[in-house]
Amino acid sequence: DIVMTQSPDSLAVSLGERATINCKSSQSLLYSSNNKNYLGWFQQKPGQPPKLLIYWASTRESGVPDRFSGSGSGTDFTLTISSLQAEDVAVYYCQQYYSTPQFTFGPGTKVDIK
Amino acid sequence: QVQLVQSGAEVKKPGASVTVSCKTSGYTFTRHYIHWVRQAPGQGLEWMGVISPSTGRPTYAQKFQGRVSLTRDTSTNTVYMDLTSLGTEDTAVYYCARPGDDYPFYVYWGQGTLVTVSS
Repeated sequence: DIVMTQSPDSLAVSLGERATINCKSSQSLLYSSNNKNYLGWFQQKPGQPPKLLIYWASTRESGVPDRFSGSGSGTDFTLTISSLQAEDVAVYYCQQYYSTPQFTFGPGTKVDIK
Repeated sequence: QVQLVQSGAEVKKPGASVTVSCKTSGYTFTRHYIHWVRQAPGQGLEWMGVISPSTGRPTYAQKFQGRVSLTRDTSTNTVYMDLTSLGTEDTAVYYCARPGDDYPFYVYWGQGTLVTVSS
């Protein structure tokens, strides 16, 4: 099974500042036949289901503010919130979609306001 | 619009079984797999299994093999998740989720069903 790790476990960032979350997979998520990374990022607020922010590691889902961006390839990925807003306080998860159909999640990173 | 509506909260005793339903609408039911994910209180997301609504074939996470069963009813566009031999560690919110039209990432989610296991 592919194991996903995230760092840090939590972080506190001042409003308007940058937040960076890292995600690492135990094996490459890059599918050579289509050159796509099978990695998604989710945001989850209390009492709500997760919301897809980023797919293919770097493609923003429709309606997601452009302050959210994803980068990385292979085994190392990053979610960046360029200018943290109050409504971005949440837990963020990465999820791999390479090892079908068991799409494992990272353990989550909690983002708070400093 | 695509909707996944789950059944209501359940309270069960240890050793019992629970069934959670996920009624779908707004799309062709047989075209998209339905996955199940659970989340224990204050914990992360855990993939449990997936079912093909067209064939009814399920695949389960090894952790739940023998205890979970996914079925579907094509007449009502509903997927069911049965979990047996419940323990207190099964207390969690259970979600059904559906991929997007053109990619495998979970775009659509049910609202979640809280299952509480307590004596």
